[in-house]
Formats: sequence, C-alpha cells, structure tokens
Amino acid sequence: QSALTQPASVSGSPGQSITISCTGTSSDVGTYNLVSWYQQHPGKAPKLMIYEGSKRPSGVSDRFSGSKSGSTASLTISGLQAEDEADYYCSSYAGSSTFVVFGGGTKLTVL
Amino acid sequence: QVQLQESGPGLVKPSQTLSLTCTVSGGSISSGSDYWSWIRQPAGKGLEWIGRIYTSGSTNYNPSLKSRVTISVDTSKNQFSLKLSSVTAADTAVYYCVRGSTSCDYWGQGTLVTVSS
Repeated sequence: QSALTQPASVSGSPGQSITISCTGTSSDVGTYNLVSWYQQHPGKAPKLMIYEGSKRPSGVSDRFSGSKSGSTASLTISGLQAEDEADYYCSSYAGSSTFVVFGGGTKLTVL
Repeated sequence: QVQLQESGPGLVKPSQTLSLTCTVSGGSISSGSDYWSWIRQPAGKGLEWIGRIYTSGSTNYNPSLKSRVTISVDTSKNQFSLKLSSVTAADTAVYYCVRGSTSCDYWGQGTLVTVSS
C-alpha cells in the first residue's frame, strides 16, 4: 500500500482537461511544499513534470500544472493529447524519518 | 546534459547481496548541492524510493529497507552504488539511479534485477 493515494485510472478525450489527485497526510503533502509529479510511458524511465508543487522543469509543456490544497496535491493536464497517455506518479518529502514517499500511480487514458 | 547509467548483475540468488553501480556523465557528481538516489519499480507496480546520498557522503534510507541498504559514492570515478543484502523474490524490480530525491530530474534507463535461484 502506497503512502500517497492516487486514483488508479482517469480518462479524457483529446482537447479536454483532466485532474489527477494525490492525497497524503499532515506528515507529508500537508506540511511540505515538495510534491513532484512524474510521467512514465511503458518501458521508459519516469520523467519529471512538476516539482515543488507547481513548478515546471524547462522543456515541460505549460499544459501541465500542479497545485495543492491541504493534504491533497493535484496535477492538471489541459488540452489533452494522445501523447499524454501514460502512468503518472506523485511523490512528496515526508520529513526526516521517512524522507520520500510515492503514490501508487494513475493510468491516464486518452480516449 | 547529465546522463546516468546503471550497471550490475541482472540475476541474484536469494539471501545474497544485490550490488549496482551508477555512472554519472556530463557533470561531476561532487559539484553543486545534489542528492543522488536509488528508486525501484517491481513489474507492473509503482515506484519505491530506496535511499539517497549527498555529495558530502551523508545518506538517508527508506525506513522499510534501512537494515539491508547501503549507498556509497566514489567521486574519483563519478559513481555511486547500491548494496541490498539478504534479498528475496520481493526485491525483483527495475532499479533506477537518479539525480535528486524530492524532485528527480535525471534518471538512468533502469536495470532489471531478478532474484531467483
């Protein structure tokens, strides 16, 4: 069982927007603004899409955005494209005993 | 452009020690203020953070693996390494070396390690 809770799957049609939630606790997401989001295509290494909750690394499309409310972080993808179909994982810093925790992952299907 | 490459045996016997090395190119492992981590992923499952090492050599480990994990760095070779002792089938996974810990911006391609007799 993963420390952070994500929906197993979400889907959307091309051009639409979707949001993936990542629910933690006051020990991780709720306290630290150190949530990251990764995209993973089959057989590939994950790719960093969002860090520190809402920042985008250079080269990541501005269709990807991150936010947080309480102990739940969210990844929103706008203007869905076929290439966005992948697994998405959230992670968070969880203090100086546990350090880093991941969500179980969400499979995004573009219909 | 920083690149990371994992290397090591793809097959390890139960109860033995898994050993992997990550070679960093395109930048010095001891420059800046970076953490270097190991992350694993069993087939069809999610990501699990194993541990990290700072450029100074200080380490932090996942509490669930702490008793079996050692991460070390060899700055002269621009490498860092993972040792996981007393392995079982549950340790079968793709192992990734990465730059960072709370946000991992560079990843190796991953290497599959199977624990089997």
